[in-house]
Amino acid sequence: NAGVTQTPKFQVLKTGQSMTLQCAQDMNHNSMYWYRQDPGMGLRLIYYSASEGTTDKGEVPNGYNVSRLNKREFSLRLESAAPSQTSVYFCASGSRGTDTQYFGPGTRLTVL
Amino acid sequence: QKEVEQNSGPLSVPEGAIASLNCTYSDRGSQSFFWYRQYSGKSPELIMFIYSNGDKEDGRFTAQLNKASQYVSLLIRDSQPSDSATYLCAVTHHFGNEKLTFGTGTRLTIIP
Repeated sequence: NAGVTQTPKFQVLKTGQSMTLQCAQDMNHNSMYWYRQDPGMGLRLIYYSASEGTTDKGEVPNGYNVSRLNKREFSLRLESAAPSQTSVYFCASGSRGTDTQYFGPGTRLTVL
Repeated sequence: QKEVEQNSGPLSVPEGAIASLNCTYSDRGSQSFFWYRQYSGKSPELIMFIYSNGDKEDGRFTAQLNKASQYVSLLIRDSQPSDSATYLCAVTHHFGNEKLTFGTGTRLTIIP
């Protein structure tokens, strides 16, 4: 039982490049989330998915797209990376009955 | 005004003492309240959640909720050096809403 897994752990991009961050959970949760964490800003919600087939914008969605591939997997795509997207990205999955969320190990992304 | 506010610290507490972490929130309709612990370079780890006014105890941790005053606190008894971490407070605005709003965290240091 791995919980929430994320790949890659680290990534360096040049401005304008694209990439997809992958997330998978094996806890049979309906809800999944993408956050970014920046110093002094705390965790901010980028996108979330309340169930398979649905996605909604969070607090900071600009520059990102998401895909809820199936119940287990939720990916985050940067189409044209910018230095402002340098951050640590966390995926989480949630239990609707209790509102609790469990986080993956994170991806540290640097955009040059 | 930030929705969830925490003193950023650092908060220094001697080993064996009680560490008290506080969090205030602005939305009077907030329903669910969470405390996460985050070690440096790691992902947030859920340690407590509370839904009702009063105290909830789990081992050395006690969460306290006062909805009238709009604050939630976390007490750590018999503090250990391994408790040194950043503690994040999070709230949901409606039960079953699932979207968490995080504070920026309080950095706690336990002094041996």
